[in-house]
Amino acid sequence: TQLLEQSPQFLSIQEGENLTVYCNSSSVFSSLQWYRQEPGEGPVLLVTVVTGGEVKKLKRLTFQFGDARKDSSLHITAAQPGDTGLYLCAGNSGYALNFGKGTSLLVTP
Amino acid sequence: DAGVIQSPRHEVTEMGQEVTLRCKPISGHNSLFWYRQTMMRGLELLIYFNNNVPIDDSGMPEDRFSAKMPNASFSTLKIQPSEPRDSAVYFCASSLAPTGTYEQYFGPGTRLTVT
Repeated sequence: TQLLEQSPQFLSIQEGENLTVYCNSSSVFSSLQWYRQEPGEGPVLLVTVVTGGEVKKLKRLTFQFGDARKDSSLHITAAQPGDTGLYLCAGNSGYALNFGKGTSLLVTP
Repeated sequence: DAGVIQSPRHEVTEMGQEVTLRCKPISGHNSLFWYRQTMMRGLELLIYFNNNVPIDDSGMPEDRFSAKMPNASFSTLKIQPSEPRDSAVYFCASSLAPTGTYEQYFGPGTRLTVT
C-alpha cells in the first residue's frame, strides 16, 4: 500500500483567512484526486491532477501537483464557513485509490 | 442522473447478527468499490469489482465479510456474524474504468453500529 500523509490533521480558522493543506507520499502516482467530505455524507470529488507541476483552480481553491507527482497541495483563499469539511487526497496507481486520512477543516464566522 | 445509492443509511444491530448492506452504482459504470471508514484508520478499500467480477478482495478483514455483485446495478456487502469492532461507516463507490484517472463517485454511506 502506498501511503499518503496529509497535514495538518485538524485546522480551525476564521472566515476570510487563507490556508494550505498538504498531501505527501514517497510514491509516484499517475494522478491524484482531492475530495471533500461533509458530515454524514460520502466524499465528493473536487479535482483530478495528472501532470507534474499542474495547477488547477476551482473558484477560491487552488490545487497543485508536485513536479515529481509524489505530493500535492490545496490552497483556499478567503475561507468561508461553507468550506468546512474533511479534505481527502487520493493517489491513483491503476484501478485503486490510496486515500490519506484527511485534513478536517473548520471555518467559523 | 441519480448518484450511487446505498441502503440502509443507518443500521444498529446486536453482536452476532447478520448485516447486509446494499449498493446501486451509477448506471453505465463498470467498477464498484466497497470502503470502510473509521476515525482511526480512515478510508480502507475492502473489495473491488470490475464488470461484476471481484478483482481484489485483499482488504476484506476476515471470513465474516463477503461481497457479491450479481449484476451491473446491484451489490451487497454482508457481515456474518457481526462484531462491535465492525462499527464504522461503509461506503460504496463506482467508476468507469479503465479510463484515464479512475475518478470514483461515492454513495452517502451506511453507518453501522454493532452493540
